[in-house]
Amino acid sequence: DAKTTQPPSMDCAEGRAANLPCNHSTISGNEYVYWYRQIHSQGPQYIIHGLKNNETNEMASLIITEDRKSSTLILPHATLRDTAVYYCIVRASSNTGKLIFGQGTTLQVKP
Amino acid sequence: DSGVTQTPKHLITATGQRVTLRCSPRSGDLSVYWYQQSLDQGLQFLIQYYNGEERAKGNILERFSAQQFPDLHSELNLSSLELGDSALYFCASSVVAENSPLHFGNGTRLTVT
Repeated sequence: DAKTTQPPSMDCAEGRAANLPCNHSTISGNEYVYWYRQIHSQGPQYIIHGLKNNETNEMASLIITEDRKSSTLILPHATLRDTAVYYCIVRASSNTGKLIFGQGTTLQVKP
Repeated sequence: DSGVTQTPKHLITATGQRVTLRCSPRSGDLSVYWYQQSLDQGLQFLIQYYNGEERAKGNILERFSAQQFPDLHSELNLSSLELGDSALYFCASSVVAENSPLHFGNGTRLTVT
């Protein structure tokens, strides 16, 4: 599975959009981009995943660049409860299923 | 609520002891995964089971073992415990489909004294 690079930390004002970047320049054609978050010592929570088209669900939007070398997770209206560590993970569709977590981005939403 | 249930929530034990952590996957999920999260290591994949069979192995110590039972629940056994085994242990489950996400439980916090 390709390696990802994320900034270690970010701040966002409450009510504003939080845009979390992820670089995955070595991604290959059969690899999906997944986003999870972990709120203080709770289990990681699935947010969204995609291959090459932009995806949106009730939690967030995932924007993947045309060359697929980077992506951005967008939380449209961040709240204090969105403060968490956000993980961007690349996983091959042929993978047995496991996810390999990196260090993630700590997002602090401030009032 | 992810639908994955882990018990117990907290466990305190002494060095040299053995413990068993239990995981009930979401209804319909055939794959179960175990992860360890300690302060200095992040989330580390330990092992995966699919329908009772071991499917993938990660950084799991020989002192640790797991199994998945016919009713699909899984147990992680940790023996000869050391102080460094203190960590959060998470279980996750998924359906058997390409690109299906994993859903995690809220973990068992193990403290070895």
